[in-house]
Amino acid sequence: QSVLTQPPSVSAAPGQEVTISCSGSSSNIGSNYVSWYQQLPGTAPKLLIYDNNKRPSGIPDRFSGSKSGTSATLGITGLQTGDEADYYCGTWDSSLSTPWVFGGGTKLTVL
Amino acid sequence: QITLKESGPTLVKPTQTLTLTCTFSGLSLTTRGVGVGWIRQPPEKALEWLALIYWDDDKRYSPSLKSRLSITRDTSKNQVVLTMTNIDAMDTATYYCAQCRGDYGDYLDYFDPWGPGTLVTVSS
Repeated sequence: QSVLTQPPSVSAAPGQEVTISCSGSSSNIGSNYVSWYQQLPGTAPKLLIYDNNKRPSGIPDRFSGSKSGTSATLGITGLQTGDEADYYCGTWDSSLSTPWVFGGGTKLTVL
Repeated sequence: QITLKESGPTLVKPTQTLTLTCTFSGLSLTTRGVGVGWIRQPPEKALEWLALIYWDDDKRYSPSLKSRLSITRDTSKNQVVLTMTNIDAMDTATYYCAQCRGDYGDYLDYFDPWGPGTLVTVSS
């Protein structure tokens, strides 16, 4: 079981928007920055969002991140078939049970 | 441009020691605010963070694997080496290395970029 809880799957139609939640606790999300990673099938993860809501160069503004309390959310608008991937949240955990933690991942299906 | 690439054996026998090398370019592991981490992913499963080495040679490990892991660096070769002892089938996974960095001084808080990964299968 991951320390960070994500829904196993989400789906939406092309052009629609979707949100992926990442729920943690005061020792991880509640006190640290959250990053999000996109893993396309058969490829390595790629940074999508860092510091809760910042996008690296080259990431379209269809992708957004937010954090409130002990939860974080990834938003994707204008869904494209190329967005079908697994998405992971990650952050430090100050409790030291595991210094760095990833969520269990969410499979996005674009119907 | 920063690149990282993992290398090591593709097949390992149970109880053996696994040694993986991350060779990188475009970054210096002696520059303050830089780290390199290892993350693995068993087939069809989630990412699992393993270890991190900082620019000052400080190290962090996953508590559940700490007794079996060792992370070291060779700054002259631009390499980070992960060693895992007493391998078993549960260690079958794709192993990734990635730069760990941040925008707030010594606080490193995201992994970017990642290497392509190397699949390690544990089987007798």
